[in-house]
Amino acid sequence: RKEVEQDPGPFNVPEGATVAFNCTYSNSASQSFFWYRQDCRKEPKLLMSVYSSGNEDGRFTAQLNRASQYISLLIRDSKLSDSATYLCVVNGDNAGNMLTFGGGTRLMVKP
Amino acid sequence: DAGITQSPRYKITETGRQVTLMCHQTWSHSYMFWYRQDLGHGLRLIYYSAAADITDKGEVPDGYVVSRSKTENFPLTLESATRSQTSVYFCASSNSGGDTGELFFGEGSRLTVL
Repeated sequence: RKEVEQDPGPFNVPEGATVAFNCTYSNSASQSFFWYRQDCRKEPKLLMSVYSSGNEDGRFTAQLNRASQYISLLIRDSKLSDSATYLCVVNGDNAGNMLTFGGGTRLMVKP
Repeated sequence: DAGITQSPRYKITETGRQVTLMCHQTWSHSYMFWYRQDLGHGLRLIYYSAAADITDKGEVPDGYVVSRSKTENFPLTLESATRSQTSVYFCASSNSGGDTGELFFGEGSRLTVL
């Protein structure tokens, strides 16, 4: 089983739609969770951290469910510019507790 | 305003050749990382370094060598390139290790091994 699993998509949604992605992780001891965004043929960039109590940044809401070991990202009022791949990132049980990336979920927002 | 830079951005080489990918950061971040990104696998950690002269293996270190004689540089060498090492390689840096989150990535080096 992969440490961090995501539905690769693509999720095709119209502008203005609300879309949600889930991500599951295998290491129950993980303490740090993040969402990164990666545009086509570009480097990943941090979108937001995910806190235990859930957190919001504008149109983006991240939630953590430790009992079920998944994190989610909700995007409201989707914009064309939200089209990208969203990477779920968790600190793992690998050497040095380094970050482990999921395979990413591709979002395409259509006019 | 350089940040983190990788070179070369694109490289085509042949099986068996030695290739070195360079990574340079101007923030004096203590941690540096090398990842490879392949379809179906996402980003996988090759090696990382917590400080100058300290390096550790990641998830997929076989066939790669790293060094960190200076804080700002973290070159990745493929000693004898194989076709399976065709990939996009990302260097990243951070003020902390994995725990606190923000990795700053270079633009990537696209390597093709023929």
